[in-house]
Amino acid sequence: DADVTQTPRNRITKTGKRIMLECSQTKGHDRMYWYRQDPGLGLRLIYYSFDVKDINKGEISDGYSVSRQAQAKFSLSLESAIPNQTALYFCATSEVAGGKADTQYFGPGTRLTVL
Amino acid sequence: AQTVTQSQPEMSVQEAETVTLSCTYDTSESDYYLFWYKQPPSRQMILVIRQEAYKQQNATENRFSVNFQKAAKSFSLKISDSQLGDAAMYFCASRSNYGGATNKLIFGTGTLLAVQP
Repeated sequence: DADVTQTPRNRITKTGKRIMLECSQTKGHDRMYWYRQDPGLGLRLIYYSFDVKDINKGEISDGYSVSRQAQAKFSLSLESAIPNQTALYFCATSEVAGGKADTQYFGPGTRLTVL
Repeated sequence: AQTVTQSQPEMSVQEAETVTLSCTYDTSESDYYLFWYKQPPSRQMILVIRQEAYKQQNATENRFSVNFQKAAKSFSLKISDSQLGDAAMYFCASRSNYGGATNKLIFGTGTLLAVQP
């Protein structure tokens, strides 16, 4: 079984709809992240969470919100989807080892299309 | 602020040959990691190799190795004996090691590698 899973893998929705993307991990990591990938722009950080009670905005958080329901679960919501939120979304996890944050491991991605 | 630049949008290599992908970065931190991630058509982001900035020795993982030039802030990836399965988008990324608010991956824009049979 995959260590980091994302649901759904693909989603098509309409402008104005509320959408939730879910991420679960079995790696036991405390830290979780949501990234967005657009062609030609690489990956950009939306939100990150260092533990259940610690959630932080990334560089492009406008229009998004998150929920850390448990150590293993981190959800990304689009309250009112708009077409320029069409992108590939990745969840990632990492642990803190010896006081230094470790490598980030990515889920398979969710392809979201907003019409 | 950290930045990562990949100046080669596309590269091509013949099967069994060697190819080098370029990456330069800019950071004010003294302690950081550098990474290469591979993204095949399946879209999965796969860690290829990582390098700690304080280590002078270049990292290697089987057919993948890096040329880390700290003073020049350069971090290139060499793929030896290229295989068809190496065809993918390759992303260079950097991350501060301080574990606080600056602990986030900064990605380059990627290099699309084609492998010709």
